[in-house]
Amino acid sequence: KAGVTQTPRYLIKTRGQQVTLSCSPISGHRSVSWYQQTPGQGLQFLFEYFSETQRNKGNFPGRFSGRQFSNSRSEMNVSTLELGDSALYLCASSPLAGVSYEQYFGPGTRLTVT
Amino acid sequence: KQEVTQIPAALSVPEGENLVLNCSFTDSAIYNLQWFRQDPGKGLTSLLLIQSSQREQTSGRLNASLDKSSGRSTLYIAASQPGDSATYLCASLSSGSARQLTFGSGTQLTVLP
Repeated sequence: KAGVTQTPRYLIKTRGQQVTLSCSPISGHRSVSWYQQTPGQGLQFLFEYFSETQRNKGNFPGRFSGRQFSNSRSEMNVSTLELGDSALYLCASSPLAGVSYEQYFGPGTRLTVT
Repeated sequence: KQEVTQIPAALSVPEGENLVLNCSFTDSAIYNLQWFRQDPGKGLTSLLLIQSSQREQTSGRLNASLDKSSGRSTLYIAASQPGDSATYLCASLSSGSARQLTFGSGTQLTVLP
């Protein structure tokens, strides 16, 4: 069974630009969550999607948004990039079909904002 | 708001030693607790998941325990190897409607050959 895939793996953008990151969950998983990891703040929850609906949202500005498609693939978008948005963005999928709620993480997208 | 703390922040041990990593959380209303491993620049690898109704889980040389009443979890690594060197993170999954993982800041483990 293929794992969680994220594209692109590395990205360099300039301040003020916008960026879209993609996440394909494990086949059969319907929940996708996004996390930001920085040296200073650690891992922080961005949002969770389930069946194309955003169920939870972390404490991030509105510049961070996401969506989920009918095949459970998810994208997150960051508009008007700031230097502080440089981070490793991790996506996790979960089956939610049982009671496990175990989260499986992808390799991440390393975003550098210059 | 859930807060998760991991102690120590860094640990260096000689190969073959048994070791314990600690994780504490402030809100006992959790659905489960998960331990992850992260290698430099990489994503997270799930090691063990303990449901809130369980006391411990074991996988190979790893054993994780959970004490909800005291807000603590430990990860025990037996007979450590250099390949165990990585950052270990614990995360609690909230049991309310907002199911999100709250992570600790991690313990960076170095196993010296």
